[in-house]
Amino acid sequence: DQQVKQNSPSLSVQEGRISILNCDYTNSMFDYFLWYKKYPAEGPTFLISISSIKDKNEDGRFTVFLNKSAKHLSLHIVPSQPGDSAVYFCAASGDKIIFGKGTRLHILP
Amino acid sequence: DGGITQSPKYLFRKEGQNVTLSCEQNLNHDAMYWYRQDPGQGLRLIYYSQIVNDFQKGDIAEGYSVSREKKESFPLTVTSAQKNPTAFYLCASSDLDSQCQPQHFGDGTRLSIL
Repeated sequence: DQQVKQNSPSLSVQEGRISILNCDYTNSMFDYFLWYKKYPAEGPTFLISISSIKDKNEDGRFTVFLNKSAKHLSLHIVPSQPGDSAVYFCAASGDKIIFGKGTRLHILP
Repeated sequence: DGGITQSPKYLFRKEGQNVTLSCEQNLNHDAMYWYRQDPGQGLRLIYYSQIVNDFQKGDIAEGYSVSREKKESFPLTVTSAQKNPTAFYLCASSDLDSQCQPQHFGDGTRLSIL
């Protein structure tokens, strides 16, 4: 039973355009939602988070939107850069952190 | 520099052998975690510890064991009872005083069967 779902295994976006990565969850008791970025053969690095009481959090090129009624969050990256090519994990935090399966983002030149 | 160090980066196990993966952190974090990543899968929690000398099973603890004798160290032993140990293993730590508790990850250990 997947509590955190990333339904797109991969996504390709032109450099300079907006990348939108999506995540759905089932448990309304999660307190925080987090996004991590992972390069091959490295550990994930924390990108940005959002509290369940907010609907938007922005940090530079990265913005996370939370729609609690739809149990959906998204990560927007604009403008997309070649170094953004990586796997992005969505995670939800309650009494423990649960990760989605990840979405591989390819930024095309 | 503060961070999490996992060693070795690559590890090979023979059938019937136990192997231990090392994880050390100097971030002064109370909580430490072990995850397993398989191709096309997310991170699955094996064990976690929120305080020295205490740890809890995660979602896939069978065939694994851990210890937390020191705050800085959380080694994971993959026992011969783990029938499919080939995977990428990630250790993480977090500050329980932080509301969001983002986890800081090591660079992982890739375990393969000979």
